[in-house]
Amino acid sequence: GAGVSQTPSNKVTEKGKYVELRCDPISGHTALYWYRQSLGQGPEFLIYFQGTGAADDSGLPNDRFFAVRPEGSVSTLKIQRTERGDSAVYLCASSLWRGQGENTGELFFGEGSRLTVL
Amino acid sequence: AQKITQTQPGMFVQEKEAVTLDCTYDTSDPSYGLFWYKQPSSGEMIFLIYQGSYDQQNATEGRYSLNFQKARKSANLVISASQLGDSAMYFCAMREGLRAGTASKLTFGTGTRLQVTL
Repeated sequence: GAGVSQTPSNKVTEKGKYVELRCDPISGHTALYWYRQSLGQGPEFLIYFQGTGAADDSGLPNDRFFAVRPEGSVSTLKIQRTERGDSAVYLCASSLWRGQGENTGELFFGEGSRLTVL
Repeated sequence: AQKITQTQPGMFVQEKEAVTLDCTYDTSDPSYGLFWYKQPSSGEMIFLIYQGSYDQQNATEGRYSLNFQKARKSANLVISASQLGDSAMYFCAMREGLRAGTASKLTFGTGTRLQVTL
């Protein structure tokens, strides 16, 4: 498809389990972002990639959270030893570099992965 | 200090009327961009409008316009001729450190819920 694709759309897991969330960005977008959105809140930045490397991971809340983008396209957000407080919608977005054509560097978002930790 | 402040948790507007959603921001970087996104109940984030810090004119996109007052550090969204389909959450966001060939994260506000009534 043409948009950002996220899987799974819904994930229910038990406290302490390991979870992986996948993001497939728009083809040609070199920047990829992960955000977390709790109910009634704005998206909270987690990490973003420029190509394969994490350019800014300052939003990751602790070392249970990790993300990779090994080939500069698909990314996986990994959460170890999940806690109930991790329950949220995890949004992935991609963008062009600013200056690639006439673009604002706007982020294109996927529909999110809703994580529920019981 | 909050980077992005949206002081209106909820707003009501009658169909066909105009409405202004407030946004103030805080940055010391001279090069930044301001974005507005719409998030309907379905959850997807939809880009509406962008304003660069060096843009001389206020941005407009169809029924959306951005009232950019740089000295006051405000970037209010104006929606003209409101429609029932405009009912949604609206988020203001900022990207700092705009330089060609780079990407950087967006920081979002807490959002304003707009309800359009008949």
